[in-house]
Formats: sequence, structure tokens, C-alpha cells
Amino acid sequence: QVQLVQSGAEVKKPGASVKVSCKASGYTFTSYGISWVRQAPGQGLEWMGWISSYNGNTNYAQHLQGRVTMTTDTSTSTAYMELRSLRSDDTAVYYCARVGYSGGYVDYWGQGTLVTVSS
Amino acid sequence: QSALTQPASVSGSPGQSIIISCTGTSSDVGGYKYVSWYQQHPGKAPKLMIYDVSNRPSGVSNRFSGSKSGNTASLTISGLQAEDEADYYCSSYTSSSTVFGGGTKLTVL
Repeated sequence: QVQLVQSGAEVKKPGASVKVSCKASGYTFTSYGISWVRQAPGQGLEWMGWISSYNGNTNYAQHLQGRVTMTTDTSTSTAYMELRSLRSDDTAVYYCARVGYSGGYVDYWGQGTLVTVSS
Repeated sequence: QSALTQPASVSGSPGQSIIISCTGTSSDVGGYKYVSWYQQHPGKAPKLMIYDVSNRPSGVSNRFSGSKSGNTASLTISGLQAEDEADYYCSSYTSSSTVFGGGTKLTVL
């Protein structure tokens, strides 16, 4: 069965960086892209960007351009999301999710990784 | 890209039907056949309920259905059950990104 398992919770200081991992299993990793979505406490879902697991092409949300980098390691079927220059409003649960066949939706989600930014 | 507009809350009694709307623009909802809906219970990851406007993934109850007219998409839940109480989010593909709605809290009375 398809599974996305994310790395554990992180606590970071403002200005630091965080890198969240997302290990995929149960399907051919390079056949589906990965999107990253975050959710601030008590708030809605926010799309952060997408990476092709096939060729590494990326598309980032405009407001995160320059602070976010998404990568994949096809040898371990793992996707990564790095966010730099962290601010308090980056405190959120970060989800990875597999992009569905048509490209217009995500069909499987990771369990989420809580990133807390606090001095 | 602005978020899609959803009602903050809807409610219904067990057995009833409810509709959650999701309004965008011709650049997102109205321009593509890529509207999806997600259910999220507290403390859990979202779950895909509807994709490509009206398709149901395997395992999702046929009480859930989706549609679209112009710039507005809708999620209909029929035969409401207690377990349907959750937050629901719509999402649309755009030419350069993906955008979510603000979410709707469904209360089953």
C-alpha cells in the first residue's frame, strides 16, 4: 500500500533552516510527483510547491520563492523540503503528498511534521 | 493567488444532505477540470474525497459527490453521518500553482 512517512517534529530558532524528509513506499517513486502543503495552527491548508520525482523539476509558491528548496533522492524514494530564514509565522504542520495521475490533486498524504519556530 | 472562497461552517442533521460551495475565478476553478476536495478530522492528515471535479477515489463512500458550474464547485454529502463531521477543503489547479479554499467546518447536529 502507498505510504509516505515523514521525519519527526522540529524546534528551530528564527533565522534558522529546517529540512523535512518524506519517504515513499508502495509505488514507483519516479512515476508521481510530490507536493508540499503546510497548515499553521488552527488555520487552513497552504500549498507550498511541487517537485517531479522523475526529473527534479520544481514549481514553488510565489511567496516562498528564494526560501524553499524541494529535492528528491530516487535511490531511497525520499523527498525533502528545506525552508530557510525561518520566522515565527512558519510554525506549522508540514505535509508531503503524492500528486495524482492527472496532476490536479494529491491522493496520499504523509502524517505531517510539526515545525515550531520560537526564540 | 487568492484562496478559494468557502463558507466557514455548515451543519446538518443525520440523514440530511448538505452542500459546500467553493468559489474561485476563471483562472482556477472555472478554467480547469482539476477541482479536488479533502476531508480533515482534528489532528489528522487530510484525505482525498473527490478529484477532477466529480471523481471519487476507491474506498470513498458514494454519499460524497462533486460538481462544478462556472467558477463555483460544490461538494454534496448525502445521508449525513456522525463520522462526516470534519473540516473540508476544496482545491484547484491553476496555470502556475495549486490553491486551496479556506476550509468549511461541517457539524452534524
